[in-house]
Amino acid sequence: QVQLVQSGSELKKPGASVIISCKASGYTFTTYAMDWVRQAPGQGLEWMGWINTNTGNPTYAPDFTGRFVFSLDTSVNTAYLQINTLKAEDTAVYYCARGQVFLDLWGQGTLVTVSS
Amino acid sequence: DIQMTQSPSSLSASVGDRVTITCRASQGISVYLAWYQQKPGKVPKLLIQSAFILQSGVPSRFSGSYSGTDFALTISSLQPEDVATYYCQNYNSVPRTFGQGTKVEIK
Repeated sequence: QVQLVQSGSELKKPGASVIISCKASGYTFTTYAMDWVRQAPGQGLEWMGWINTNTGNPTYAPDFTGRFVFSLDTSVNTAYLQINTLKAEDTAVYYCARGQVFLDLWGQGTLVTVSS
Repeated sequence: DIQMTQSPSSLSASVGDRVTITCRASQGISVYLAWYQQKPGKVPKLLIQSAFILQSGVPSRFSGSYSGTDFALTISSLQPEDVATYYCQNYNSVPRTFGQGTKVEIK
């Protein structure tokens, strides 16, 4: 069926990096862009940006430039979010979502916990 | 950047009540607004796109409307399963900002 399946929870130390994967199935991967959304504990949704699944060109929201990297492997219909130099405030659930405009299909979310 | 201001931040209403959540854009976004529902501990779900187009499978008690830069999500008869936080999102331009969310509870 049509779905996005994300990788599992991660526990990382400050300064480390993490890569979250988002595997799409049930639709043509390159027909839709992939967006990323962050939700800190008890907080609202933050739009991080999106990646064009045809060109691989990423667009980042202003608060997510520098340490955040979107990438793709179209051979396995998978999008990736890499977060470098992790900080405690990066602790959150990260969602991938099919979109480019409105987000009609969401992954189950990946909890990243940053703690020493 | 376009700011999306949602109100109220929370509300408590009785089963069967009519509930309205508003979202104001800081500048014009045409009809490029979506509403999402996030039930406790769950993944957000798209309810409405293009300000008033109901997604397939969404109960008809949900509706969207707009006037200029003011948008509204209405639940015509609140049900227990509607307990959730609701978010609006601008998708007219980047960054595609979300509103702060409105938490809906049953009185």
